[in-house]
Amino acid sequence: DSGVTQTPKHLITATGQRVTLRCSPRSGDLSVYWYQQSLDQGLQFLIQYYNGEERAKGNILERFSAQQFPDLHSELNLSSLELGDSALYFCASSAGTGLGYTFGSGTRLTVV
Amino acid sequence: ELKVEQNPLFLSMQEGKNYTIYCNYSTTSDRLYWYRQDPGKSLESLFVLLSNGAVKQEGRLMASLDTKARLSTLHITAAVHDLSATYFCAALYGQNFVFGPGTRLSVLP
Repeated sequence: DSGVTQTPKHLITATGQRVTLRCSPRSGDLSVYWYQQSLDQGLQFLIQYYNGEERAKGNILERFSAQQFPDLHSELNLSSLELGDSALYFCASSAGTGLGYTFGSGTRLTVV
Repeated sequence: ELKVEQNPLFLSMQEGKNYTIYCNYSTTSDRLYWYRQDPGKSLESLFVLLSNGAVKQEGRLMASLDTKARLSTLHITAAVHDLSATYFCAALYGQNFVFGPGTRLSVLP
């Protein structure tokens, strides 16, 4: 157990729907990162939050949004889902600048 | 903007052989991580390299960093099947890490 908790582990939904992925960072970590990993693809950085505020944005679609709450957990909202959104979505947390990331076990999203 | 490249992207090797995975990055960075990912699983931190000339070893894996050449290597000695996985390097840029595309390693009997 890495200390980063992601729920749900698996999600199957239909095109056009909206889903919410949840992440609880490791205790004490203020930064949360979201990544998308499609089949046979590398890690695509989506967005970073630090202590409730958005810090960096990567290749995140307009249909996707995220937030970090006062208790530091984060949610990634994916809407108007398309088949191509099927992927593993990872959350990672970090204790500070320059410190490595601890990854959660991921949420596998399948859009049918 | 920092770009991180890895080569090879795919590597099949026989058990008992040695090989090196290369991680090049495009601009100055003084901190580099190596991660391992088993299929469908999470990423696990293997090594952190903090300075020029740093070398870390764990079992059959050895990582090194040359900040002047902007190069890190992950050397595999006498590969075994259990090392089959995808290996990512990640270089620090500003406040965040930029990940390479990953090297998928298959160790064949």
